[in-house]
Amino acid sequence: EVQLLESGGGLVQPGGSLRLSCAASGFTLSTYAINWVRQPPGKGLEWVSNSCGTGDTTYYADSVQGRFTISRDDSKNTLYLQMNSLRGEDTAIYYCAKGDSTSCYTRLDYWGQGIMVTVSS
Amino acid sequence: DIVMTQSPDSLAVSLGERATINCKSSQNVFYRSNNKNYLAWYQQKPGQPPQLLIYWASTRESGVPDRFSGSGSGTDFTLTISSLQAEDVAVYYCHQYYSTPHTFGQGTKLEIK
Repeated sequence: EVQLLESGGGLVQPGGSLRLSCAASGFTLSTYAINWVRQPPGKGLEWVSNSCGTGDTTYYADSVQGRFTISRDDSKNTLYLQMNSLRGEDTAIYYCAKGDSTSCYTRLDYWGQGIMVTVSS
Repeated sequence: DIVMTQSPDSLAVSLGERATINCKSSQNVFYRSNNKNYLAWYQQKPGQPPQLLIYWASTRESGVPDRFSGSGSGTDFTLTISSLQAEDVAVYYCHQYYSTPHTFGQGTKLEIK
């Protein structure tokens, strides 16, 4: 059974850092694109980033470019999102979502339950 | 970036009636080389992650009831629920995966009238 489990969220002050993890089970992470999508409280979905191809291809939304970095540990079947210089507008539930292939241009067929990140002083 | 605009923002439909949600993209999401529209629909119920309903604009995901259907091509797309059930109350999102950044519509909240 395909499962994605996010962890690492919490409360952080503006300007601080957090590292989110997305642990995959039921499939090999390196053979699929993995995306991060976030949802501010009570609002809609915003795509954040993806890791695709052989894992060395990554894309970011303009709103996080230069602040967030996606990486992967194949030995742990886990994807990470390093978030630096956090701002209030980064407050959201963060979901990791699996693509249906290694392509960067795929539907998102499985989603984790999400993890809350709150940026506040 | 491709902007996805859904209409309406909210919709109330009687049980057993048809519900129609529209999604318009600011750019074409049809890829001629494989004849596919890079457009998906998701359902999100309160407190849950989104769930994939439709991909390639009209292909139903495995396990999705056949009352859900998708149509359209190029820049204009529609999600139709042929006979609304109580469990269909949710927010629905369209999603273009034609280019990065991927983008979502703002969501349409579907309720029972």
